[in-house]
Amino acid sequence: KNQVEQSPQSLIILEGKNCTLQCNYTVSPFSNLRWYKQDTGRGPVSLTIMTFSENTKSNGRYTATLDADTKQSSLHITASQLSDSASYICVVSARNDYKLSFGAGTTVTVRA
Amino acid sequence: NAGVTQTPKFQVLKTGQSMTLQCAQDMNHNSMYWYRQDPGMGLRLIYYSASEGTTDKGEVPNGYNVSRLNKREFSLRLESAAPSQTSVYFCASSWNRGENGELFFGEGSRLTVL
Repeated sequence: KNQVEQSPQSLIILEGKNCTLQCNYTVSPFSNLRWYKQDTGRGPVSLTIMTFSENTKSNGRYTATLDADTKQSSLHITASQLSDSASYICVVSARNDYKLSFGAGTTVTVRA
Repeated sequence: NAGVTQTPKFQVLKTGQSMTLQCAQDMNHNSMYWYRQDPGMGLRLIYYSASEGTTDKGEVPNGYNVSRLNKREFSLRLESAAPSQTSVYFCASSWNRGENGELFFGEGSRLTVL
């Protein structure tokens, strides 16, 4: 069964600090990996999408990395802001399969 | 840009009641989806519609029905609500059903079944 595991489940950081979220997956054959940001009470919004050949992808202060050999991805948030407080969801798709495998998310709380 | 619009945003039902969640997208997307989100779990696919006129079961379809009314609208119906259906429901759409189709989500509909 295709699975996506995220860690930590939650974290608290001070404004201005950096943090890194982890995503491990067993989805095979791999097609792409996406990171979504979900603000409280809102729908998920796409941050990045990475294919097999991409190791790193940035979107402003968000940088995602992918190691397809070890089936791991990370999302790094640089110089965190209060608006970064949200749940971050890792989503993996398999090749030739429309179905997406969703992680449970990491809840990030940024404090002033 | 409205994107994906869901109604209602909140609903409380009694066990056995029925209701329909409405979803509309204005991006001319072919594919539409209904997910549910429960605490501590990833989003789970209930039903999807790859294109107008087609619908298929997802991971957790029991207790639900869907209708792809036209290209824009995709509704989710609970015929006899159960407490286990208490959840947040998200409608999403994408240009195509394929593995690379980027998903655009609505704001969610929070349903409580008493």
